[in-house]
Amino acid sequence: DIQMTQSPSSLSASVGDRVTITCRASQGISNYLAWYQQKPGKVPKLLIYAASTLQSGVPSRFSGSGSGTDFTLTISSLQPEDVATYYCQKYSSTPRTFGQGTKVEI
Amino acid sequence: EVQLVESGGGLVQPGGSLRLSCAASGFAFSSYNMNWVRQAPGMGLEWISFISSSSSTLYYADSVKSRFTISRDNAKNSLYLQMNSLRAEDTAVYYCARPPLNTGALDIWGQGTMVTVSP
Repeated sequence: DIQMTQSPSSLSASVGDRVTITCRASQGISNYLAWYQQKPGKVPKLLIYAASTLQSGVPSRFSGSGSGTDFTLTISSLQPEDVATYYCQKYSSTPRTFGQGTKVEI
Repeated sequence: EVQLVESGGGLVQPGGSLRLSCAASGFAFSSYNMNWVRQAPGMGLEWISFISSSSSTLYYADSVKSRFTISRDNAKNSLYLQMNSLRAEDTAVYYCARPPLNTGALDIWGQGTMVTVSP
């Protein structure tokens, strides 16, 4: 099975900072990658699919890039409401594995 | 409004069974593939099962294969997860989730139903 490894597992940044989260697949998955945001006690929310396509309604400070094995989620200017855990997920094949998550704090 | 509502969670003893349901509304349920995802307390997300729109294709995570069965009733706009031989490690919030028609990412999630496996 293809493993998904996120880094870092947690980070602390200041409001306005640029934040980057990395997701690495153990084998190539083309661009079949999604990013989710889960705020404490809430349901996961889709941010990005196809590695770089912003889901409707998601603020433009979120962006995704990458293809193959290496992917990045970037928050261009961190806001207080972005405190959450972020997950990547591959959907190129089953199992549709999630990364272990990156907790973002301010 | 597009909505998924799970039900059927609760406390069950190890070795027991439980059937989760997910009621869909606000969209053409029969046209969409569906998934179950779970999240153990304080842990990350774990994809566990997929069913195609016509039920012709089923997938499972190794952790639940041969114990869990996914199914759907398109006439009732409902998704199900039959869980047998439950273990303590199956304790989690269980979400049903829908991908859009053009991708496998999950854009619509239910609120989740809690399953606790304990003596």
